[in-house]
Amino acid sequence: EAGVAQSPRYKIIEKRQSVAFWCNPISGHATLYWYQQILGQGPKLLIQFQNNGVVDDSQLPKDRFSAERLKGVDSTLKIQPAKLEDSAVYLCASSFRITSGIITDTQYFGPGTRLTVL
Amino acid sequence: SQELEQSPQSLIVQEGKNLTINCTSSKTLYGLYWYKQKYGEGLIFLMMLQKGGEEKSHEKITAKLDEKKQQSSLHITASQPSHAGIYLCGADIQGAQKLVFGQGTRLTINP
Repeated sequence: EAGVAQSPRYKIIEKRQSVAFWCNPISGHATLYWYQQILGQGPKLLIQFQNNGVVDDSQLPKDRFSAERLKGVDSTLKIQPAKLEDSAVYLCASSFRITSGIITDTQYFGPGTRLTVL
Repeated sequence: SQELEQSPQSLIVQEGKNLTINCTSSKTLYGLYWYKQKYGEGLIFLMMLQKGGEEKSHEKITAKLDEKKQQSSLHITASQPSHAGIYLCGADIQGAQKLVFGQGTRLTINP
């Protein structure tokens, strides 16, 4: 079974430029997550989709970040314009569903995109 | 302050030695996940615990969730170079239906 795919793996941009990341989840997984992981820290959830609807985007900086999952499969995360503090690894994860009862379903992660903003 | 605290933040052990990593919360954990991350790569799922007192093992790695469901430990027996990496605990805190992660523990194995 193919895992979560992400591209590009690495991206270097200048501040104030725009960048987009792509994620293809595991086939059949309804839930998709984008996380930001700053060096030396654990991943922080940015946005969570169930099919093509947003479940939680409370920690997404909406003035510069946007994400979409139009057909309930692939997703794109965009930053416009980028700031120096956006330098991080952006991780995409997917799970079969959000919950079974009150327990979140196991999330499987892609390899991540390492963003460097100069 | 972090909702999930991991200790230690880094650990260097001699190959063949045992080690323990802890993950602590002041709130009830409704699902506790352990992941391993190699530098610059994604997270690899290790184990998931949800019941108080639960213990799971895979090869030389054992994870436990305490009875109060506020602390978990990850124990590696007879460590090998392949165990090196960053270990992250993630948890659904108080049934919020999303994962919060600790800051990670960087494990180095010296030959």
